[in-house]
Amino acid sequence: QKEVEQNSGPLSVPEGAIASLNCTYSDRGSQSFFWYRQYSGKSPELIMSIYSNGDKEDGRFTAQLNKASQYVSLLIRDSQPSDSATYLCAVMTGFQKLVFGTGTRLLVSP
Amino acid sequence: DAGVIQSPRHEVTEMGQEVTLRCKPISGHDYLFWYRQTMMRGLELLIYFNNNVPIDDSGMPEDRFSAKMPNASFSTLKIQPSEPRDSAVYFCASTGLDSGNTIYFGEGSWLTVV
Repeated sequence: QKEVEQNSGPLSVPEGAIASLNCTYSDRGSQSFFWYRQYSGKSPELIMSIYSNGDKEDGRFTAQLNKASQYVSLLIRDSQPSDSATYLCAVMTGFQKLVFGTGTRLLVSP
Repeated sequence: DAGVIQSPRHEVTEMGQEVTLRCKPISGHDYLFWYRQTMMRGLELLIYFNNNVPIDDSGMPEDRFSAKMPNASFSTLKIQPSEPRDSAVYFCASTGLDSGNTIYFGEGSWLTVV
């Protein structure tokens, strides 16, 4: 079993819709969780971090964490074509050791 | 700050040749990471350093790969001899106390081994 699992997609949503991206992880002791966005040919950039169960909102983005189910999700409201990218879920499994999922490709159509 | 700086940005080399990738972390950061990204395996952590000391190299694929960090502002990842399956994007990243848990990535080194 991979440490961090994501559906590779692509996930296609129309402009203005809500995009829902999901991630599961295997290490029950993990405490820190991150969502990175990666545009084609570019490096990953952090968009959200979450450490406690529940929701965390930042603008159009909401991260959700359920440690009991070992599940992290990212909601993007009012999706824009500029949100089209690969979204990487990352879990800190050791001291500053960040493990990434393979990413979900999101396509937002105008 | 200029961010994490990697070189070369692109390299094409022949199988069997030695490849050296270089990285300058963000000034003040005390953690440095080397990742490899491929379509099939995604973003894999190869090795990371804290205060120039290797902490975890369990992701280094085999003895052909080696990494060093001689000082706080410079690290190298070396592949010798290189093989076509080493073709990937190699990212260097860094973080430190002032960054919280945010890891900042360089622009990557695109390696093609033919």
